[in-house]
Amino acid sequence: GQQVMQIPQYQHVQEGEDFTTYCNSSTTLSNIQWYKQRPGGHPVFLIQLVKSGEVKKQKRLTFQFGEAKKNSSLHITATQTTDVGTYFCAGQRNQGGKLIFGQGTELSVKP
Amino acid sequence: EPEVTQTPSHQVTQMGQEVILRCVPISNHLYFYWYRQILGQKVEFLVSFYNNEISEKSEIFDDQFSVERPDGSNFTLKIRSTKLEDSAMYFCASIFGRTSGANVLTFGAGSRLTVL
Repeated sequence: GQQVMQIPQYQHVQEGEDFTTYCNSSTTLSNIQWYKQRPGGHPVFLIQLVKSGEVKKQKRLTFQFGEAKKNSSLHITATQTTDVGTYFCAGQRNQGGKLIFGQGTELSVKP
Repeated sequence: EPEVTQTPSHQVTQMGQEVILRCVPISNHLYFYWYRQILGQKVEFLVSFYNNEISEKSEIFDDQFSVERPDGSNFTLKIRSTKLEDSAMYFCASIFGRTSGANVLTFGAGSRLTVL
């Protein structure tokens, strides 16, 4: 079945350092979504990427969708303690189908 | 901001007991989902529901699980005979539609199920 792999599982950074998490799907996706889950919280939508090679920015966060629409990345520039949480990518094989989540990358930021 | 509301926030039950988890999706949303998250693990798809029927379900969603929308607002997940491995956080989610932008999940705060 469809699988979405995400690495790394954990990332510990010093405040101000950059952070990247990578997501890889076993199948071509129609779109990929990114969610953030704070400790003890629920996943909260960050962004959706639809087009091949698409790049979107939200302040210090940069999201990329690969040309083959099978991989994606999230890069945070100059991390802050408020960035702490687990970042999940979630892929959809066809529009309206189920979202399959990656394992998540847990980010901790040392002040 | 519209919310997905889930009750109870935490339920403790004995193995073999039936459990019903309740959700009130966002009022104009049309598609409803249950996901679960075992502590420290990823969010796993259980089932999707549209137009009063299941549209898709995962291998996890076996005969012990059922969903229904009894009154047009509540969306429930029933586990008939709970097992220890059912202990998890159960998230309800809903979307407005299936087109790009409308298919973004809004999650509830979750119901933590502990099976003893």
